[in-house]
Amino acid sequence: DVKVTQSSRYLVKRTGEKVFLECVQDMDHENMFWYRQDPGLGLRLIYFSYDVKMKEKGDIPEGYSVSREKKERFSLILESASTNQTSMYLCASRSSTGNEQFFGPGTRLTVL
Amino acid sequence: QKEVEQDPGPLSVPEGAIVSLNCTYSNSAFQYFMWYRQYSRKGPELLMYTYSSGNKEDGRFTAQVDKSSKYISLFIRDSQPSDSATYLCAMSLFYNQGGKLIFGQGTELSVKP
Repeated sequence: DVKVTQSSRYLVKRTGEKVFLECVQDMDHENMFWYRQDPGLGLRLIYFSYDVKMKEKGDIPEGYSVSREKKERFSLILESASTNQTSMYLCASRSSTGNEQFFGPGTRLTVL
Repeated sequence: QKEVEQDPGPLSVPEGAIVSLNCTYSNSAFQYFMWYRQYSRKGPELLMYTYSSGNKEDGRFTAQVDKSSKYISLFIRDSQPSDSATYLCAMSLFYNQGGKLIFGQGTELSVKP
């Protein structure tokens, strides 16, 4: 059974804190993605990675960075959290030969 | 204008009704079209996948793509309370390129017993 796991389901942080969101997949997928989901806006791509140590900006990369040191792990970093980064964060993975993106359960981040 | 537009609803129907969910898009180069279903407090999961124009049926679900009108639809027949979820359309330009998807806003569907 394919699986994408995210380190936390709920997270509350203070403005200015550095925040790490971790994502792990056990399917040996090459491609991994970070999205944020907001009411009325749908899913918006923050960053994606098509290989270890490779990363590409998505549509809304400002205020975020990513790290992919191992194939199975893709981290999203908020260098200095702000209240407008309060959102649901979803990680996904996809093989280079498949069609489907497999999503994790999401992390609901609140920045106070 | 957003690349992909989807009526956010919410949509409430009685059990057994036929449900029609729709998305329009502006980029005629999109070739791959998908519908994801997202239950409350869960991540989205792929429901239907279609390449180019045409229909695809899977049980009670039918996906339609009309590229000439830049319009895609998902039909649910004999809707059940277990179909209550948010439905997201998604599309992409190319199969490769990391499989980057553009999502609609999602339609929240509630099927009442």
